[in-house]
Amino acid sequence: QITLKESGPTLVKPTQTLTLTCTFSGFSLSTSGVGVGWIRQPPGKALEWLALIYWDDDKRYSPSLKSRLTITKDTSKNQVVLTMTNMDPVDTATYYCAHRSTYPPGDYCYFDYWGQGTLVTVSS
Amino acid sequence: EIVLTQSPGTLSLSPGERATLSCRASQSVSSSYLAWYQQKPGQAPRLLIYGASSRATGIPDRFSGSGSGTDFSLTISRLEPEDFVVYYCQQYGSSPWTFGQGTKVEVK
Repeated sequence: QITLKESGPTLVKPTQTLTLTCTFSGFSLSTSGVGVGWIRQPPGKALEWLALIYWDDDKRYSPSLKSRLTITKDTSKNQVVLTMTNMDPVDTATYYCAHRSTYPPGDYCYFDYWGQGTLVTVSS
Repeated sequence: EIVLTQSPGTLSLSPGERATLSCRASQSVSSSYLAWYQQKPGQAPRLLIYGASSRATGIPDRFSGSGSGTDFSLTISRLEPEDFVVYYCQQYGSSPWTFGQGTKVEVK
């Protein structure tokens, strides 16, 4: 049974750096083909893919946010960490981590298991 | 970047009716790598369809997907009360992977 759960601050100030942790179970990020991604959703708005890390430590970022994002993994702890620098009120959103489906093989990504999400508010 | 446009923004129907949701891509989606998600209020999205037409595990057969190239659709054959929520498409044929803006299915 695959589960994921996001954790981190609920409130950050403008210009601060956000650090979110995804703790998962039911799979290993050392297994070939596995990936974990981050997606966000501003209140009442659409989903936006942010970043993905593969089992082999290959990483993908949204081009529009690439300069602000860093994704890392700790395989021994079953965790993936996302950092986003220079936070702004427009970054207020629910942030989800999710398991990348291992089918099809290759650099393709959709998400078959999602965490419950964590709401991050950016305000002074 | 592939832009996905979903239509209509809101679909007003009655329980038992058939719903057809559209997702149009700004360029061809490689290998029909398109997924559909359902999102209930306060919940994470749930995968419904992948590969444009394959149902995910545990998804009822009243949900079906079709399409190729730039035009895709999600059909709900007979709406159940729990189906009146928001649906998103996502293309995964080329990075960056992108989502549509969503279609809300509401009770008429």
